[in-house]
Amino acid sequence: GAVVSQHPSWVICKSGTSVKIECRSLDFQATTMFWYRQFPKQSLMLMATSNEGSKATYEQGVEKDKFLINHASLTLSTLTVTSAHPEDSSFYICSAPPQGLSGANVLTFGAGSRLTVL
Amino acid sequence: AQTVTQSQPEMSVQEAETVTLSCTYDTSENNYYLFWYKQPPSRQMILVIRQEAYKQQNATENRFSVNFQKAAKSFSLKISDSQLGDTAMYFCAFIPNYGGATNKLIFGTGTLLAVQP
Repeated sequence: GAVVSQHPSWVICKSGTSVKIECRSLDFQATTMFWYRQFPKQSLMLMATSNEGSKATYEQGVEKDKFLINHASLTLSTLTVTSAHPEDSSFYICSAPPQGLSGANVLTFGAGSRLTVL
Repeated sequence: AQTVTQSQPEMSVQEAETVTLSCTYDTSENNYYLFWYKQPPSRQMILVIRQEAYKQQNATENRFSVNFQKAAKSFSLKISDSQLGDTAMYFCAFIPNYGGATNKLIFGTGTLLAVQP
């Protein structure tokens, strides 16, 4: 089945530093990946759509310069939280549609990355 | 605006009993996908069941079934014979553009289900 690997699962960093989160599709190609943010006991909010070979599409209110997204290959998308601050602490989840495998609009989710900014 | 509403923030059910989680949505699209996702304490999102809007028959997956009322824009989830492992946050979601170029999921606020022994 389609598997999305997300790394790291947990990261702690100091305020002002940058953190990179990777999302890999292990057994399928993904021209599109989605990045979500989830605060404790809240829903998943779509941050941006990552597009292979082109610029990401950001949702309204999401700072492009703060959350840098790179989709350099058909199996890898990265989210970099730049100059992280405590308010950026959250759970970040990526997902990808396994097009060509199931033939249906079913997203596969990574296990998520918990970011804590001190 | 395309939105998903889950009016029950928390629910509790006894083991082996049946519980129904509510979900309503708003869209002007005619063709779309509806989903229920489960998020256990591990935070991994797990697909429970999905429904294509063009299908009148309600989807079922073992102990899980839905009541899809397209005209009312309602999509409730019924869990039969509840098990302790069903304890999780449940999110209703939909993709408002079936067959389109995007798989952009819109999530509801979630219902925290606790199955009591």
